[in-house]
Amino acid sequence: SAVISQKPSRDICQRGTSLTIQCQVDSQVTMMFWYRQQPGQSLTLIATANQGSEATYESGFVIDKFPISRPNLTFSTLTVSNMSPEDSSIYLCSVSGVSETQYFGPGTRLLVL
Amino acid sequence: LAKTTQPISMDSYEGQEVNITCSHNNIATNDYITWYQQFPSQGPRFIIQGYKTKVTNEVASLFIPADRKSSTLSLPRVSLSDTAVYYCLVRPMDTGRRALTFGSGTRLQVQP
Repeated sequence: SAVISQKPSRDICQRGTSLTIQCQVDSQVTMMFWYRQQPGQSLTLIATANQGSEATYESGFVIDKFPISRPNLTFSTLTVSNMSPEDSSIYLCSVSGVSETQYFGPGTRLLVL
Repeated sequence: LAKTTQPISMDSYEGQEVNITCSHNNIATNDYITWYQQFPSQGPRFIIQGYKTKVTNEVASLFIPADRKSSTLSLPRVSLSDTAVYYCLVRPMDTGRRALTFGSGTRLQVQP
């Protein structure tokens, strides 16, 4: 199984600022995804991070708010821009490779004041 | 993608067997049934996956009837550490390039 790390593990931010979350995988993977999990809720897919091209966003999520990069097969970043308290959530990176099993990182817990 | 329905919550005691049933009436011929476990403050963890009949691993068993419209995750002799949210998902066989869609999950509380 893939080993996924995320940085930071948690952060407290002021409204109006931006935070970039990093996701690093220990092996090359085909797909990388970003999810959001609001308190007490299930996971919601934000976007698919595509290597070398723009991410594919789900309905309700836009690039200006959640810019995503994926420069190679093992690394991706998600930025939460111009944050508001409603952005307080856990942000999860997920990957899938040849086996097609999807693995999840430990998450980044974000609190916006 | 087939919609799944599972109980919102379940309670159990240590040492008991827990069975969580998920319905997926609109499952397609090329869909697998997959279960994930999520502990508080952690990302979901893959538990088990199956297509039909029974699958067993070191963590759980998965029972799938012939019509595949439901499935049951069986956790033998649960302990306090099995307290978590369990998600039932249906995914196409070629899903490596598509992200999983999560439902509400079942919150299992194991008591001493």
